[in-house]
Amino acid sequence: DQQVKQNSPSLSVQEGRISILNCDYTNSMFDYFLWYKKYPAEGPTFLISISSIKDKNEDGRFTVFLNKSAKHLSLHIVPSQPGDSAVYFCAASLLEDDMRFGAGTRLTVKP
Amino acid sequence: DAGVIQSPRHEVTEMGQEVTLRCKPISGHDYLFWYRQTMMRGLELLIYFNNNVPIDDSGMPEDRFSAKMPNASFSTLKIQPSEPRDSAVYFCASSPWSGNEQYFGPGTRLTVT
Repeated sequence: DQQVKQNSPSLSVQEGRISILNCDYTNSMFDYFLWYKKYPAEGPTFLISISSIKDKNEDGRFTVFLNKSAKHLSLHIVPSQPGDSAVYFCAASLLEDDMRFGAGTRLTVKP
Repeated sequence: DAGVIQSPRHEVTEMGQEVTLRCKPISGHDYLFWYRQTMMRGLELLIYFNNNVPIDDSGMPEDRFSAKMPNASFSTLKIQPSEPRDSAVYFCASSPWSGNEQYFGPGTRLTVT
């Protein structure tokens, strides 16, 4: 039962352009959403999060948008840099409950 | 703090053998999670603990898998007997509270031949 889905397994963008990673979820009770970034041979690292009471959270080049009615989450990276090339996992959680991850999207930023 | 520590980093074993993966969470974190990562399914939650007590083990694939947390600073994930389809990267993560960002260890790459 995949409650969090990332339908694009991979994404390739040119350096300097915007990267948009998408995530859909099925459980309307999720109230906290996170993005993790993972480099090869390393564990995922926390990138940015958003509470369900907000629709946008920005941190430098990274912005997460939440559309609760559509049960959709997106991560925007602008401008994209080659060092952003990694696998990005979307995650959702319920307060006092565990976190569910999407399958990940591999982002490649070409110089 | 050294972060979440996992050992071993790599494990190669033969089918039928017992495998034990180890994790030391960040001190003070009340939650500990075990995940399995495969190419096909991405990150899957296997089990998580709150204050050393298993809360949800519904993600554990089958009875061959077991996890323990005897104290706040140590957890094990055991597979007995191991099978080739268990080959994956196993991550341990800890968190100060559920729903908050989790801090992942470097993972253990398990290969069962």
